[in-house]
Amino acid sequence: EAQVTQNPRYLITVTGKKLTVTCSQNMNHEYMSWYRQDPGLGLRQIYYSMNVEVTDKGDVPEGYKVSRKEKRNFPLILESPSPNQTSLYFCASSLLNRNSNQPQHFGDGTRLSIL
Amino acid sequence: AQSVSQHNHHVILSEAASLELGCNYSYGGTVNLFWYVQYPGQHLQLLLKYFSGDPLVKGIKGFEAEFIKSKFSFNLRKPSVQWSDTAEYFCAVNDAGKSTFGDGTTLTVKP
Repeated sequence: EAQVTQNPRYLITVTGKKLTVTCSQNMNHEYMSWYRQDPGLGLRQIYYSMNVEVTDKGDVPEGYKVSRKEKRNFPLILESPSPNQTSLYFCASSLLNRNSNQPQHFGDGTRLSIL
Repeated sequence: AQSVSQHNHHVILSEAASLELGCNYSYGGTVNLFWYVQYPGQHLQLLLKYFSGDPLVKGIKGFEAEFIKSKFSFNLRKPSVQWSDTAEYFCAVNDAGKSTFGDGTTLTVKP
């Protein structure tokens, strides 16, 4: 089954404790992206990747890191989490063509609470 | 910089009513527009997309959207909503990997 898998689905942790949210897709998609969803603010893009070893900042990259060492994986790293990073996070992937018009497939989301 | 504006934050309709959700974008380049739906507790799913050709696009579950270039709009429509359409709806624009979503419109359909 084609899917985007995020882990963990839920996490409660404390300020300053490094954490990683994994994202894996089995569709051989070139493009992957991370978003955070906050009430009233919709989805905001954190980072995206057009291919292996290629990553770019989205609209809200501060406090986050990503890596793309393999095509299927795109982990999101919070080196020193803070309470303002409490949010619902979504990973997404898509095929990539010249016109960037392929729809994104989303994971089920990771709810992070930073105390 | 691209931006997306959804005018209605919360819409409440009765079953069988017609639906139109507004979406305006601000971007001067090639436009790739999407509508996604998020049912309660689920991830986003594609409803429909537009990137060229016929400005009236049809999607899943009876939804359609019209791209009006002169108005920078991509409004979502459905002639007769059902209770199962209760969800949050997001308009989005994508260009070269950069994706911008609107704030979302919560649709509540009363049975």
